[in-house]
Amino acid sequence: DGGITQSPKYLFRKEGQNVTLSCEQNLNHDAMYWYRQDPGQGLRLIYYSQIVNDFQKGDIAEGYSVSREKKESFPLTVTSAQKNPTAFYLCASTGTSGRNEQFFGPGTRLTVL
Amino acid sequence: GQSLEQPSEVTAVEGAIVQINCTYQTSGFYGLSWYQQHDGGAPTFLSYNALDGLEETGRFSSFLSRSDSYGYLLLQELQMKDSASYFCAVRVADTGGFKTIFGAGTRLFVKA
Repeated sequence: DGGITQSPKYLFRKEGQNVTLSCEQNLNHDAMYWYRQDPGQGLRLIYYSQIVNDFQKGDIAEGYSVSREKKESFPLTVTSAQKNPTAFYLCASTGTSGRNEQFFGPGTRLTVL
Repeated sequence: GQSLEQPSEVTAVEGAIVQINCTYQTSGFYGLSWYQQHDGGAPTFLSYNALDGLEETGRFSSFLSRSDSYGYLLLQELQMKDSASYFCAVRVADTGGFKTIFGAGTRLFVKA
């Protein structure tokens, strides 16, 4: 089955530690996205990538970093510079159907203690 | 800046019809999408309007008026399972291509 996987589902880290969230897709999509969602809020764009080896900052990129070395993979690193990292992180990808349909992974809930 | 506005909560009765409105202020607008998200889950795509008019998909319909920077999602024959959050989202041109900006969401409560 084609889809997007994110791991782990729940992640706990101590303050001051960097942590990398995994996102893998086998949909052959070129575009991939990372969003952050806080309780009762909408999704805010962190980073996105239209093609391999290229990515752009979203609206809240400070304290985060990404890489796009393979089409299938778009990992997100939450660095110690991110002041309030506890949130629900969602990865998505988009194909070329023209419908702008974003397919989301199940998300990673990060808690920084 | 870019902004979207939608009501924070809507309550309706099972079997009824509900409309969730969305107004936006953006530059480089390309289209309006709607997503559904159940508690603890990931958003799922419902519809996309790039042109003015009404798009119908089963019990759900979505409307766009580009001149009014306005759209809505219409849910008919409401079922209990429709209780969820609904997000409007705009596709806009950006320096790196296209990006999608989400509204804060409308929480729909369906009562028996």
